[in-house]
This record gives sequence, C-alpha cells and structure tokens, in this order.
Amino acid sequence: DQQVKQNSPSLSVQEGRISILNCDYTNSMFDYFLWYKKYPAEGPTFLISISSIKDKNEDGRFTVFLNKSAKHLSLHIVPSQPGDSAVYFCAASVGYGNKLVFGAGTILRVKS
Amino acid sequence: KAGVTQTPRYLIKTRGQQVTLSCSPISGHRSVSWYQQTPGQGLQFLFEYFSETQRNKGNFPGRFSGRQFSNSRSEMNVSTLELGDSALYLCASSSRTDMNTEAFFGQGTRLTVV
Repeated sequence: DQQVKQNSPSLSVQEGRISILNCDYTNSMFDYFLWYKKYPAEGPTFLISISSIKDKNEDGRFTVFLNKSAKHLSLHIVPSQPGDSAVYFCAASVGYGNKLVFGAGTILRVKS
Repeated sequence: KAGVTQTPRYLIKTRGQQVTLSCSPISGHRSVSWYQQTPGQGLQFLFEYFSETQRNKGNFPGRFSGRQFSNSRSEMNVSTLELGDSALYLCASSSRTDMNTEAFFGQGTRLTVV
C-alpha cells in the first residue's frame, strides 16, 4: 500500500527554466509534508516543508504547494540550476513523532 | 554545528551474523529515527527513539532492534543477517518533540551481506 506516490520517475529541464515535481498521497491523516534532495551514497538533504494548515511555503528558489482536496503537493524550483540535478523525495507524516513515509523519488536532470 | 554522524560508513557481513550501526544526532536533538533504503522498497521507516524510548515502529521483523542512550546517541542492531538486509541504513535526527518538524539525515551506513 503506497501511501505517497511520485508518479514521474524522472524529469529533464533546461537550466534557468522551472522544475515542477509532483507528489500524491492517499492518507488523509497526513498533516506534514517535506521534500528532500538526495545524491547517490549520501543521506537525503532537507529542502522545504509544509504543514497541512497552509497551502504554500516558499524558501528562496523553492516553493511547495499543497492541495489537500486533491491530496497533491508539488515542488517548484525556479530558476533551475545544474546543481539541482539529484533525486527528489516527497515525504509525509502524521501527528506526533517523526515517522516519515517516503515516495519512490523523482530523478531531476537540469541541462546546461 | 556538526550534522548527524553515522558509523561505520561501509560494512560487509556474512549471512547469519549480526551487526550494530551507530548514530550521533545533531547536538540538542532528542529524536532519532532509522530508515532503510533499498532499490526495490525505497526509503522505509524502521523505528524512532526519543528520550531512550521507542516512540514509533515500522513493519520490520524483530531481528531489527534499536536503542537510544541518555546522550541521545542511538544504535540499531540487526541479528541473523539475510542477503535481503543489504541496504543503505539512514539515521535522522530532529529537535521538536510535540509537533512535526524536519528531520536531518546522516550520510548513512552501506551494509552488504554476503
């Protein structure tokens, strides 16, 4: 039972353009969502998060949008840079504690 | 401020053996979680410790266990290793206890079972 889904295994974007990574979830109890970036053989690096009481959160080039009715969130990276090339994971959790449920990840390639 | 430190970085063990992995959280962080990453299953939650108590547990067999010490450092143990236990084991720490917050990950321990 995959509660967090990233349906696009990969995404290729030109440098300077917008990258949009998508994530869908099925568990309506999730109330906190996070995006992580990961390079091979390293641990995930936290990028940005959003609470279910909000529908948008921005941090520099990164913006996360949450649509609770559609159980959908997206990460926008503007402008995209070659250094953004990595695997991006969406994660979600319920209430108390830090039990994160991860999506399968999306490989982002930013071409220069 | 030092990040999450995991030791060792790489480990090779034989089927049937046991292994202990160590995690030192970011200073001041009291919550430590463990995750397993494999190509087939992705990133899966193992367990979370806070104040030396297991607070959450994932769907892993009892061969996987953990503990947390009074200084918040944590260890996880896998007994009777199987080939399928080969994975990247990641530790994450976070600061808050009563509401969700971001978890910061270490670089992981790559375990290979032969």
